[in-house]
Amino acid sequence: GNSVTQMEGPVTLSEEAFLTINCTYTATGYPSLFWYVQYPGEGLQLLLKATKADDKGSNKGFEATYRKETTSFHLEKGSVQVSDSAVYFCALSGQYGGSQGNLIFGKGTKLSVKP
Amino acid sequence: DGGITQSPKYLFRKEGQNVTLSCEQNLNHDAMYWYRQDPGQGLRLIYYSQIVNDFQKGDIAEGYSVSREKKESFPLTVTSAQKNPTAFYLCASSLGWGETQYFGPGTRLLVL
Repeated sequence: GNSVTQMEGPVTLSEEAFLTINCTYTATGYPSLFWYVQYPGEGLQLLLKATKADDKGSNKGFEATYRKETTSFHLEKGSVQVSDSAVYFCALSGQYGGSQGNLIFGKGTKLSVKP
Repeated sequence: DGGITQSPKYLFRKEGQNVTLSCEQNLNHDAMYWYRQDPGQGLRLIYYSQIVNDFQKGDIAEGYSVSREKKESFPLTVTSAQKNPTAFYLCASSLGWGETQYFGPGTRLLVL
């Protein structure tokens, strides 16, 4: 079945450091891929998405490229800020309807950015 | 403002009690979802509804029930059969089934 694997955290960085959070997936067909962010005590916010191979999603300085050849969707940011401290979830949605229309989530990666 | 609201923010359940979590959206979305989040875990799907008056079990439906009588509302009842209900519950909606999901702020359920 479909699955998502994220790098385990926590990840601790200094302000202005480069961020990479790895995400790989297993899925049939051509899933859509997502990154969500969760700030403490809050719900999930959509950060970015990509719906087909080689698409690049971007938002608020974050980027991720849909790589079908490596089944990956790694999240990157060139210069993190303290306000980026949160838990980041990679997720996929199957290509087809029925049960594959659900979102499948990774376990999340906690990022802490120190001033 | 369009969005998804969940209430209450915190909910306490006594032994043997059923409790109901509210989820309302004014985005005119057809599909709605309930997820459970445990510490250090990803989200797991409890129930989903592709359209009003229809809903389906997700991966962990035992001990939970839902209704979808109105397009904008998808309440979740945590029954006494759910033996480990302490968790953070998130509601989401999407324009259509399988489309991008948007989440509410969540309800934290605690057992007294």
